Amino acid sequence: AQRVTQPEKLLSVFKGAPVELKCNYSYSGSPELFWYVQYSRQRLQLLLRHISRESIKGFTADLNKGETSFHLKKPFAQEEDSAMYYCALSGLRSGGSNYKLTFGKGTLLTVNP
Amino acid sequence: DTGVSQDPRHKITKRGQNVTFRCDPISEHNRLYWYRQTLGQGPEFLTYFQNEAQLEKSRLLSDRFSAERPKGSFSTLEIQRTEQGDSAMYLCASSYTSGGVYEQYFGPGTRLTVT
Repeated sequence: AQRVTQPEKLLSVFKGAPVELKCNYSYSGSPELFWYVQYSRQRLQLLLRHISRESIKGFTADLNKGETSFHLKKPFAQEEDSAMYYCALSGLRSGGSNYKLTFGKGTLLTVNP
Repeated sequence: DTGVSQDPRHKITKRGQNVTFRCDPISEHNRLYWYRQTLGQGPEFLTYFQNEAQLEKSRLLSDRFSAERPKGSFSTLEIQRTEQGDSAMYLCASSYTSGGVYEQYFGPGTRLTVT
């Protein structure tokens, strides 16, 4: 079974402070991990995916298979980063594929001025 | 093309009534997904289509739920004999894939309230 855990429902930081949103996953096969973001009154959108190893809006995330984690980090938070962040997993079974996304419950990040 | 669209955006219905939602994916996308999101939870997978074929259904999708994607274009999700527990945001997403995992683009959602 696929499972994604985001232990923090709420995270509040001050502008300019580092931020880390935690994500742990459980999957027996080869996972692909994503971070999705939802800004106020906007639709869910992809922020980054582990396979591309990009830095988007200053955010990075490294897949740690040993710790089954995919934490999202940004060294200096900005007020416009305030949003709901969801970690998601798509599992790739051997001999086939499974494209559905399994989401965590989300972390609401608030960046205070 | 302005992205994935869903109609209606809000639906209030009485318990026992049937409701139907529509999703129009991005035009060249061959995969279409339905998710359900309740308060305080992340989206939960319901079902997905590759072109017109429905390839997987979640156990969350009871017999009262049915989804179609005729001709591999728009999709409809119907809920028969609605219950209060069906109240949720219903999200549609689409992606293009020819192998591998591609980005899913989400619609704005349809918020269902069952009274």
